[in-house]
Amino acid sequence: DIQMTQSPSSLSASVGDRVTITCQTSQDISNYLNWYQQKPGKAPKLLIYDASNLETGVPSRFSGSGSGTDFTFTISSLQPEDVATYFCQEYDNLPTFGQGTKLEIK
Amino acid sequence: QVQLVESGGGLVKPGGSLRLSCAASGFTFSDYYMSWIRQAPGTGPEWISYISSSGTYTDYADSVKGRFTISRDNAKNSLFLQMTSLRVEDTAFYYCARDRSSSPIYDLWGQGSLVTVSS
Repeated sequence: DIQMTQSPSSLSASVGDRVTITCQTSQDISNYLNWYQQKPGKAPKLLIYDASNLETGVPSRFSGSGSGTDFTFTISSLQPEDVATYFCQEYDNLPTFGQGTKLEIK
Repeated sequence: QVQLVESGGGLVKPGGSLRLSCAASGFTFSDYYMSWIRQAPGTGPEWISYISSSGTYTDYADSVKGRFTISRDNAKNSLFLQMTSLRVEDTAFYYCARDRSSSPIYDLWGQGSLVTVSS
């Protein structure tokens, strides 16, 4: 099984800050990695697919990069509505989600 | 409106059974692979099963294999999850999700249905 390490587990930042979350896999998964946003009491929402592709309708301040085993998710300028938990998900084999990063406003 | 709506969750005793349903609308259901994903409180989501667009192919996570069965009725735009031999550790929100282009890229999710397994 592929192991996923998402970090940090929680993060506090100010409005306008650049925020970065990383996801590391135990083996090469090419670009088979997605990022989701989940707000309290809601289902996850797809933001980035195949490591770097922005889902239709998602603001351009969200971006993703990486390939192989190391991936990065970035919010270029944090907005109050970005408070949520973010998950990475690989699908090189059976789909596996990371444990999440809880993002709060400082 | 493009949406998925789950139903059928509830409280069940260990060893019991439950059937979840997911009603799809606003898109051509029969064109899409579909999945069930669950999430226990405070944890990351866990993929548990998928079914191909025609229903021919299915797969399951080891944690539910032999106990859960996924099925679909394309004429009724519906997805199902039959759960048997339920365990306390099966307690979670259960989401149905649409796969994009038969890949596990989940671009549409239902609102979730809570299954609680407790004596």
